[in-house]
Amino acid sequence: SQQGEEDPQALSIQEGENATMNCSYKTSINNLQWYRQNSGRGLVHLILIRSNEREKHSGRLRVTLDTSKKSSSLLITASRAADTASYFCATDGGSNYQLIWGAGTKLIIKP
Amino acid sequence: EPEVTQTPSHQVTQMGQEVILRCVPISNHLYFYWYRQILGQKVEFLVSFYNNEISEKSEIFDDQFSVERPDGSNFTLKIRSTKLEDSAMYFCASRPDSPEQYFGPGTRLTVT
Repeated sequence: SQQGEEDPQALSIQEGENATMNCSYKTSINNLQWYRQNSGRGLVHLILIRSNEREKHSGRLRVTLDTSKKSSSLLITASRAADTASYFCATDGGSNYQLIWGAGTKLIIKP
Repeated sequence: EPEVTQTPSHQVTQMGQEVILRCVPISNHLYFYWYRQILGQKVEFLVSFYNNEISEKSEIFDDQFSVERPDGSNFTLKIRSTKLEDSAMYFCASRPDSPEQYFGPGTRLTVT
């Protein structure tokens, strides 16, 4: 089965700096999605990138996808304290679009 | 903005008891999912549901688990005889005819 892995596992930066998180996966995908989770609460959808796309932007978020390396990165620019959360990548490659998840990156933004 | 809701937010049960976790997906969504997240671990896919039947299930989703859409709004996950290792956050998700899934806030299940 496909398996996403994020790195780093934890990232602590100053408010205003950019945060970059990476994700790798093992098998072919339809899409790759990024989600945020605050303190063990619900999973909030951030952005989806399709397998035929290389880059996508949404507000302060930039996602890249390299299918040859089976990897993706999430960049959050001009970070804010409210961005403190865990960030997960999830891939779907099955016909039912079920999500296979990475272990997540815990991001802490220091004020 | 419509959202997925789940009840209860926290359920404590004794080993061997049956539990039913409830979800109300977003009303015009067609596809429904259950996932779980054991504390400190990855989110894991359990089951997908479409057109009133299971479309796919994982190895975790054994005979102790069942899902149902008893009416036009609710989507339930039943665990017939809970085990200690069933303790986890259970998330319901739904999506329209596009890949983005929308998650509920989760139900924390504690089996003692």
